[in-house]
This record gives sequence, structure tokens and C-alpha cells, in this order.
Amino acid sequence: KAGVTQTPRYLIKTRGQQVTLSCSPISGHRSVSWYQQTPGQGLQFLFEYFSETQRNKGNFPGRFSGRQFSNSRSEMNVSTLELGDSALYLCASSLASSYNEQFFGPGTRLTVL
Amino acid sequence: GQNIDQPTEMTATEGAIVQINCTYQTSGFNGLFWYQQHAGEAPTFLSYNVLDGLEEKGRFSSFLSRSKGYSYLLLKELQMKDSASYLCAVSGGATNKLIFGTGTLLAVQP
Repeated sequence: KAGVTQTPRYLIKTRGQQVTLSCSPISGHRSVSWYQQTPGQGLQFLFEYFSETQRNKGNFPGRFSGRQFSNSRSEMNVSTLELGDSALYLCASSLASSYNEQFFGPGTRLTVL
Repeated sequence: GQNIDQPTEMTATEGAIVQINCTYQTSGFNGLFWYQQHAGEAPTFLSYNVLDGLEEKGRFSSFLSRSKGYSYLLLKELQMKDSASYLCAVSGGATNKLIFGTGTLLAVQP
């Protein structure tokens, strides 16, 4: 069974630009969660999508948004990039509920210059 | 508020046993996860506790006390490849939101 895939793996952008990251979950998984990982803050929850609906949201500004498609693939978008958005963005997929293990993708390393 | 605490760094010797502690205060509790993350890689699942007690899985064991808001991960017969960051995470609601601690960086020395 293929694991969680994320594209692109690396991105360099400049302040003010926007970026779209993609995540393909494990086949059969309907829940996709996104996390931001930085050295100082650790892993922080961005949002979770289940059956094309945002089911939960973390404490991030509205510049961070996402969506999920009918095949469970998910995208997240960050608009008006700031230097502080430089981070590793991880997506995780799971079957459905919070009792299920989450499987992480390799992440997208975003650098904002 | 929601808070998860773990030691920042630990050092242990190859072949030894190490215990990594995690304390948590969250608004809800559905279960506690431990993940391992090697530098530059994605976190990988190690264990999941939902009831009090010890869960054993090979060289790794995890313990949970819900009344004390406390868990630990026990690694036995340490190997050099166990050098990694160990993340404690709590699932607290009906959805898949995980609250992570900042992780414990374990260095295994020869």
C-alpha cells in the first residue's frame, strides 16, 4: 500500500507570494490533517478535512486555507507569505476517527525569502 | 488551556534503557500517541494508549495514567538508530486534531 505523498518536497518563495501544497492520503483514508513544524514551536495543527469538509481548525491566521477533493486528496494554500511561514508542512492521513493512527507524509519544506 | 510537556533532550548509552516522560493538560482526552522522528524525516507511529497501563511492543513500551495526565515511553536495548526526536501527542476531541509536545531529542552514545 502506498504511503502518504506530498508535493512539492521543497519550495522557495518570496514574501508576499502565495503557495499551494498538495497531499495524497493512503488509499481508503478519508481524513487528512495538516501540521506546521518549526524548530521553536514544534508540530502545530493547522486543520483537518474529512469527506471534503473542514472538521477542525488550529490557531492560524486566515492566510492559511485548505480544501479536500472527492478522492480525499487535499491541498493547503498560504497567501501573502511572510518570513515566519518558513517551515516544514506535514500532512497526515487516517481512516476516520481520532482513535486511529495518523500516517505522515514526508513533508514540504517551504522557505520564504 | 492545552499543554504537553516533555524534556527537551536526553542522552543514553547503547544497550541501556531510557524512559521519556510526558505530562499533559488538555481540554479533552481520547488517547495518547508516541511518534519517532529522525532528522529530516516524517514522524512515524510508535504507540497508542487510550486506557491506563502499559502497552508493550518489542523494545518499545508506553505507559499511561489518565488521572495523573502522565505518560512515558520506555526504550530498551538501545541502538544507535534510536537516536531521534520522540514526540508525545494527545488526541482530545471528536476529530483528528493532535496536540503535540515539542519533542525529546534522544542521543544514543556508544
